[in-house]
Amino acid sequence: GAVVSQHPSRVICKSGTSVKIECRSLDFQATTMFWYRQFPKKSLMLMATSNEGSKATYEQGVEKDKFLINHASLTLSTLTVTSAHPEDSSFYICSAPTSGRTDTQYFGPGTRLTVL
Amino acid sequence: QQQVKQSPQSLIVQKGGISIINCAYENTAFDYFPWYQQFPGKGPALLIAIRPDVSEKKEGRFTISFNKSAKQFSLHIMDSQPGDSATYFCAASTSGAQKLVFGQGTRLTINP
Repeated sequence: GAVVSQHPSRVICKSGTSVKIECRSLDFQATTMFWYRQFPKKSLMLMATSNEGSKATYEQGVEKDKFLINHASLTLSTLTVTSAHPEDSSFYICSAPTSGRTDTQYFGPGTRLTVL
Repeated sequence: QQQVKQSPQSLIVQKGGISIINCAYENTAFDYFPWYQQFPGKGPALLIAIRPDVSEKKEGRFTISFNKSAKQFSLHIMDSQPGDSATYFCAASTSGAQKLVFGQGTRLTINP
């Protein structure tokens, strides 16, 4: 299947700082990517849809000024957690769909964010 | 209407047995139903997916059964192995390229 990578895999930061997470589609182009958040032993919660060349679309209740999304190219989307607080600690996962009749979504390996 | 309800929440099966996880949905516009397998600390991995034009799809030990009229679909894992122990999520979307709505997840444990 297609490959989606995330970097970093794990990050620890101090409260008040900003953290950037990268999501790359390695062997296909993705005009759309999705960002999810997952709490321990819980399901994936969609945060936003990243659109190449235009603004991201945020789900209800997600602070767009806190979670900045930039879809810089057809293979790269970034999520920046601004002014991070301990409650932002979570597992962040991106996904990218392939296109065409057999379009399928592939997920990245996830990024574990810990805010101290 | 956007929900996908998954059951059971947890499941314990003996090695060699059949694991069955069920999902139900309300939105009749959904036309893509994937199952994902997730190990602790990892991203979900696509296991198998089905579209409503077929009632069953089999890939190796994994089978999806789909009942369009009942708006239900299920994952069957035949000859379950300890390595299958993971959390499984069903999902649905209006196409594979659109945002997925996930079920609550099922933690599967296969006892040796």
